[in-house]
Amino acid sequence: QVQLQESGPGLVKPSETLSLICNVSGGSITNHYWSWLRQPPGKGLEWIGYVYFTGGTNYNPSLKSRVTLSVDTSRNQFSLSLRSVTAADTAVYFCAGSNRFYFDLWGRGALVAVSS
Amino acid sequence: DIVLTQSPDSLAVSLGERATISCKSNQTALYSPDKYYLAWYQQKPGQPLKLLIYWASTRGSGVPDRFSGSGSGTDFTLTISSLQAEDVAIYFCQQFLSTPWTFGQGTRVEI
Repeated sequence: QVQLQESGPGLVKPSETLSLICNVSGGSITNHYWSWLRQPPGKGLEWIGYVYFTGGTNYNPSLKSRVTLSVDTSRNQFSLSLRSVTAADTAVYFCAGSNRFYFDLWGRGALVAVSS
Repeated sequence: DIVLTQSPDSLAVSLGERATISCKSNQTALYSPDKYYLAWYQQKPGQPLKLLIYWASTRGSGVPDRFSGSGSGTDFTLTISSLQAEDVAIYFCQQFLSTPWTFGQGTRVEI
């Protein structure tokens, strides 16, 4: 059974870079498109982008200028880097795996607060 | 971007009764070329989101048959035929037709 687990700092200062890693266990990272999503407190879900095991990416235009997604197939991990954060970036960040039609794998989410 | 609007924002249903959630797309039929690129998810606190329905009407693996999806064009529906206590959650629709992939705002279902 494939499981996803997000990890990273729970607190980031304004203007700094938010970095999270998603560990994929119980399966190969070559089988899915790997996405990051976020959910601000009390709000809906926003898709940030995906990375494929080849390194190919697709980003949400609303965040594209600040986001980098990467994959490490040797460690079965993929990662999110979000630059120049503000309080508006405070959210629960989810990693997820999909095919072209639906997300069938989800992590539990990691709360990241942006505050000085 | 494709905007998905769910209604209602919340609903309270008695145990054993039917719950119906609507999801409407603002732009285009979520269809290409022979499937509807519309999925439904269930979110409970502290748990991974669960895929309930994909291709608008196909149940995900292990999903009870009281959950069903229907619809066409720009209008879709998630129905829980007989609400159980464990169905208390927030439900989201999501489109995969084009990036950026987008979600409805969510519908909270309570007893």
